[in-house]
Amino acid sequence: RKEVEQDPGPFNVPEGATVAFNCTYSNSASQSFFWYRQDCRKEPKLLMSVYSSGNEDGRFTAQLNRASQYISLLIRDSKLSDSATYLCVVTNAGNNRKLIWGLGTSLAVNP
Amino acid sequence: GAVVSQHPSWVICKSGTSVKIECRSLDFQATTMFWYRQFPKQSLMLMATSNEGSKATYEQGVEKDKFLINHASLTLSTLTVTSAHPEDSSFYICSARDRYGGSHNEQFFGPGTRLTVL
Repeated sequence: RKEVEQDPGPFNVPEGATVAFNCTYSNSASQSFFWYRQDCRKEPKLLMSVYSSGNEDGRFTAQLNRASQYISLLIRDSKLSDSATYLCVVTNAGNNRKLIWGLGTSLAVNP
Repeated sequence: GAVVSQHPSWVICKSGTSVKIECRSLDFQATTMFWYRQFPKQSLMLMATSNEGSKATYEQGVEKDKFLINHASLTLSTLTVTSAHPEDSSFYICSARDRYGGSHNEQFFGPGTRLTVL
């Protein structure tokens, strides 16, 4: 089983739609959780950290369920510029706090 | 703030040559830098953790003699792909953790280097 699993998609949605991505992780001792965004042939960029209480940043809402080892990202009122691959990332429990990456979920927002 | 640069951004070389990639933290000090590799349609794979002033820690399956890492200062780490072969063609990305960045563990990524070995 992969350490971080995501549905690769692609998700094709119209502008203005609400779309949700899910991610599961296998190590219950994982400590930190993130969503990154990666555009084609570019480096990943941090979209938002994910906190236990859930957090929101504009149109983006992230949720964490430690009991189920599940992370979600909700994008409301999607824009064309949201088209990208969304990567779920967790850190391991060791001192080096390595980032463990999901394969990513591809989103295409269509006009 | 928190800018990481990589050089070169792309390189094409012949099989058997060595290629050096530089990763610099421009406005912060990074005691730890990470080197990743990403093949098309795959996730980022951590190759090694580079620690300033000490030997790098390599992930399982990554040959340390083939991928030489030097982290001689708090703002520079280099990755040298020795005797590169076509299967080494990939997108190499570095990231750096701010020495004074607190406990939240954010890593700042360089723009990546696309290596093509002919």
